[in-house]
Formats: sequence, structure tokens, C-alpha cells
Amino acid sequence: DAGVIQSPRHEVTEMGQEVTLRCKPISGHNSLFWYRQTMMRGLELLIYFNNNVPIDDSGMPEDRFSAKMPNASFSTLKIQPSEPRDSAVYFCASSQPAGANTEAFFGQGTRLTVV
Amino acid sequence: AQSVTQLDSQVPVFEEAPVELRCNYSSSVSVYLFWYVQYPNQGLQLLLKYLSGSTLVKGINGFEAEFNKSQTSFHLRKPSVHISDTAEYFCAVSRGSNYKLTFGKGTLLTVNP
Repeated sequence: DAGVIQSPRHEVTEMGQEVTLRCKPISGHNSLFWYRQTMMRGLELLIYFNNNVPIDDSGMPEDRFSAKMPNASFSTLKIQPSEPRDSAVYFCASSQPAGANTEAFFGQGTRLTVV
Repeated sequence: AQSVTQLDSQVPVFEEAPVELRCNYSSSVSVYLFWYVQYPNQGLQLLLKYLSGSTLVKGINGFEAEFNKSQTSFHLRKPSVHISDTAEYFCAVSRGSNYKLTFGKGTLLTVNP
């Protein structure tokens, strides 16, 4: 398997623009997580899905952020409108149904810069 | 609620020296414990995990960690580090596979020649 695939790897956008980050989890994994990493706040969970259903979105900063998982092999994180303080690295991770291999596998991340 | 405290934000060491990166956690329920490593401009890679059983866990790249329930700790150790171990290390807890990971702030390990 190719692992968790995120696109784009880098995104530079102007303040006020809409940004969409994409994630393809590992096949067979039924949990998907979106994390944000910044120097100030470290790694923060934004939202996670089990079986395509959002379970906990308490980490989503505000209404400008939204996430969807229309099927088991694809998820998006959208920011509209974007602001400079949204600049961060956004990671997607996936994990298997409960069992021996309980770790989350991470993608390479999307580095977002909002100018 | 769960939380993770990594007591050292930066740890500089010389090559071939031993290292210990400290991690303490708090949780009202049983948890699984993890150490992840992040190399520059990369995603997070699992080093090792504690699920149950033996409290001494061995991982990749010669790292090991010991789960201490009474002290709620899960410190990471390596007897002899290499330059290539320079990276940021994150301790994390989770209730299980389909639950979120809660991360510590990370410890930057810098190995100097």
C-alpha cells in the first residue's frame, strides 16, 4: 500500500481565498483523522471520522473550517475564507478497525501558507 | 480527558551517548501509549507502542520505552544515539484504534558529532 496520501504537499494562497486539502487513507482503514501542526500549539486534532461519520469535531477552530468524508477512500478539509493564522502543516492519518495494530498512519502533510 | 506532558522541549546530546526522552500522561481510563518520530519536512512515523503485556517495549532504530503505570510515565530510551536520530519525538495516548491520539508538545532531539 502507498500509505496515506495527501495533496497538495504545499499550498500558498491569499487571505480570503478558499483552500481545499485532500486525503486518501490506507485501504481497509475505517478511521480518519485531521491534525494541524504549528510551532505555538503543536499537534492538534481537528476532526476525526469512523466509518465515514464525523465523531469528534470539537477541534475545528471555527465555522471557516469544514471536513467531509464522502466515502471510505477520500476526505477533504476546507477552509473558507482562509486567514494568515491558518498557516500550518495539516496532517491526515488513518487507522484500522480495533485490533492488534492500533496505531495511526500519517500522511506527509500539506504545508499551507496564507499570505 | 487525556493529556500528555513531555518534560523537555529540546535535548542535545553527543553521538554515541545514551538518551532518555521523558513522557508523562494522565487519563481516567486505560490507554494505549505511542512514540512517534518526525524527521524534518516529513510526516510522523511510529517508533513503538504499548498496548498491554510486558512493560518494556522495543521499537525501530534501537529505541525502547518502559511503561510505568504507578508513575504514569512512558519514557523513551536509546543506549547509543546516531546523528541520524536527530528529529522531533512525540509521545501520544489513545483509548484505542478508532479513537483520537492526544499528543505531547514534542521533544527535539539533536545529536551532535
